[in-house]
Amino acid sequence: AQKVTQAQTEISVVEKEDVTLDCVYETRDTTYYLFWYKQPPSGELVFLIRRNSFDEQNEISGRYSWNFQKSTSSFNFTITASQVVDSAVYFCALSGLLFSGGYNKLIFGAGTRLAVHP
Amino acid sequence: ETGVTQTPRHLVMGMTNKKSLKCEQHLGHNAMYWYKQSAKKPLELMFVYSLEERVENNSVPSRFSPECPNSSHLFLHLHTLQPEDSALYLCASSQEGGRAREQYFGPGTRLTVT
Repeated sequence: AQKVTQAQTEISVVEKEDVTLDCVYETRDTTYYLFWYKQPPSGELVFLIRRNSFDEQNEISGRYSWNFQKSTSSFNFTITASQVVDSAVYFCALSGLLFSGGYNKLIFGAGTRLAVHP
Repeated sequence: ETGVTQTPRHLVMGMTNKKSLKCEQHLGHNAMYWYKQSAKKPLELMFVYSLEERVENNSVPSRFSPECPNSSHLFLHLHTLQPEDSALYLCASSQEGGRAREQYFGPGTRLTVT
């Protein structure tokens, strides 16, 4: 079965702390894609990153970094020196070929609500 | 306009009303999606249109009726809704068949059924 688990429902940190959001996935596909989205209070889901299953290289973008480990089926997201503007719900998602149905179907996790306090 | 736009942003309707949600994508994509996001529930995929044909209908009640007149526009027609249909309705688009498989979302329509 294809599944994405975000075990952390809510995380609360103080500004400038580092925070890691966990994402564990299950899939039978050998080729698949993983994503992170941010949903601020305004409601729009903002695309942050896509990784494919053949590229395990970690990625850094400013204060954001992602750690993809196929051995543990995890794709964790770290925010360094968090800021109040990082407060949002973050979703991890999975897309593959076997269950695509002919389109780019995304399987979303339940989301992690991050609150960054001043 | 850029990205994916949705109108209206907020909608309050009675159970006997008929209304429509509109989505427009300015990204040149060929697939569009409707999602429902209720409080404390995961995102639910409702409908998918690929190349203007409906390819997925996830057991959505018939009081929700989608329409995709062209690859840039998607509508969700609503009639005789129930209070439990109150939610954030999100539209998304993607390019099917390309390497980039991510979906781009609009800001959503916050629907309240009274």
